[in-house]
Amino acid sequence: GAVVSQHPSRVICKSGTSVKIECRSLDFQATTMFWYRQFPKQSLMLMATSNEGSKATYEQGVEKDKFLINHASLTLSTLTVTSAHPEDSSFYICSAPVPGLGTDTQYFGPGTRLTVL
Amino acid sequence: QKEVEQDPGPLSVPEGAIVSLNCTYSNSAFQYFMWYRQYSRKGPELLMYTYSSGNKEDGRFTAQVDKSSKYISLFIRDSQPSDSATYLCAMSVYNFNKFYFGSGTKLNVKP
Repeated sequence: GAVVSQHPSRVICKSGTSVKIECRSLDFQATTMFWYRQFPKQSLMLMATSNEGSKATYEQGVEKDKFLINHASLTLSTLTVTSAHPEDSSFYICSAPVPGLGTDTQYFGPGTRLTVL
Repeated sequence: QKEVEQDPGPLSVPEGAIVSLNCTYSNSAFQYFMWYRQYSRKGPELLMYTYSSGNKEDGRFTAQVDKSSKYISLFIRDSQPSDSATYLCAMSVYNFNKFYFGSGTKLNVKP
């Protein structure tokens, strides 16, 4: 079946540094990918929609300048957390639509656990 | 009121039991309904998806949607310890990108 990968799976960084997370669709093309954040024991919160060839669409309350999204190709989207702070520590998950079914169902990546010291 | 309500559990059952997981929702425009399984520290895994009302069966899993009651269910037959995970319901309006997730129900199947 369709597979979405993320890299790295875990990252620990110092406050003030930037962290880049990659999301790849491995055996299909994705013109749209989604980035979610999940805090412990809470559900997924959609942060932004990544669109290949155009700007990302951010959800209300999500800082565009802090969470930079680049959809470089039909199989790669990146999320860069700029000037990370401890409150940015979270589980970041990307997803991509199931091929042939539009955007109504999605496959999720394995997630990236970010810890900011 | 949240768009999607889901009992967080935890739900603890013995191996072999039938498990019933449920979500209610308020937006009658939802057309697609999904169930995801999420193991600790992993991304959600798509289990079932259904369009509009009705039942769908896949192996030990059955998904039910009752749009008149705004209620969806996931049944797991012959539950196994490996089914222990958090189960998330999700729903969306047709052709819309935004998914609305329940908070997840943590299931523990005891051997």
